[in-house]
Amino acid sequence: DAGVTQSPTHLIKTRGQHVTLRCSPISGHKSVSWYQQVLGQGPQFIFQYYEKEERGRGNFPDRFSARQFPNYSSELNVNALLLGDSALYLCASSFTSDPYEQYFGPGTRLTVT
Amino acid sequence: GQQVMQIPQYQHVQEGEDFTTYCNSSTTLSNIQWYKQRPGGHPVFLIQLVKSGEVKKQKRLTFQFGEAKKNSSLHITATQTTDVGTYFCAGPKDTGNQFYFGTGTSLTVIP
Repeated sequence: DAGVTQSPTHLIKTRGQHVTLRCSPISGHKSVSWYQQVLGQGPQFIFQYYEKEERGRGNFPDRFSARQFPNYSSELNVNALLLGDSALYLCASSFTSDPYEQYFGPGTRLTVT
Repeated sequence: GQQVMQIPQYQHVQEGEDFTTYCNSSTTLSNIQWYKQRPGGHPVFLIQLVKSGEVKKQKRLTFQFGEAKKNSSLHITATQTTDVGTYFCAGPKDTGNQFYFGTGTSLTVIP
């Protein structure tokens, strides 16, 4: 079975632009969470979606938004990019919305110049 | 707000030596998870602990959840070069389904 997939793997954007990152969970997993990982730090929680509904939101500005589709894939959108948004964006899927083991994708490396 | 801290931040050991990382939360945790992230890789789930005082073993790895459910530890016996990476603990927020990751402990194993 395929693991969690994310696209693109790398992305370079300019300040002020917007970006859309995509994630496909493991087949059968209905929960998708998004994390931001700055180099040298632990992942920071951004959003969790379960059955297309937002179940949790971290301490990130409104420039960050996300959604989950009927096939449980998900998109993370970031508007008005700042230099500080440069990071590895990780998607994690799990079977339920309850605290459960999470399977992470390889991430999307976003560089904002 | 809730904080999850880990010590040490870095650890260098000779191959064959033991290694321990400690995780401390400012609040009681309903459960705690441990992840390993290899350099350039993504976090990989290792284990979840739920019960107070719980101890679980995976081969050379021993995980413990404190009695007060505010701290946890990961102990590796006789480290190998394959153990290299950063080990993170992660605990859920008191409400909702947000996970707070610890600051991580980066392990280097010297052959």
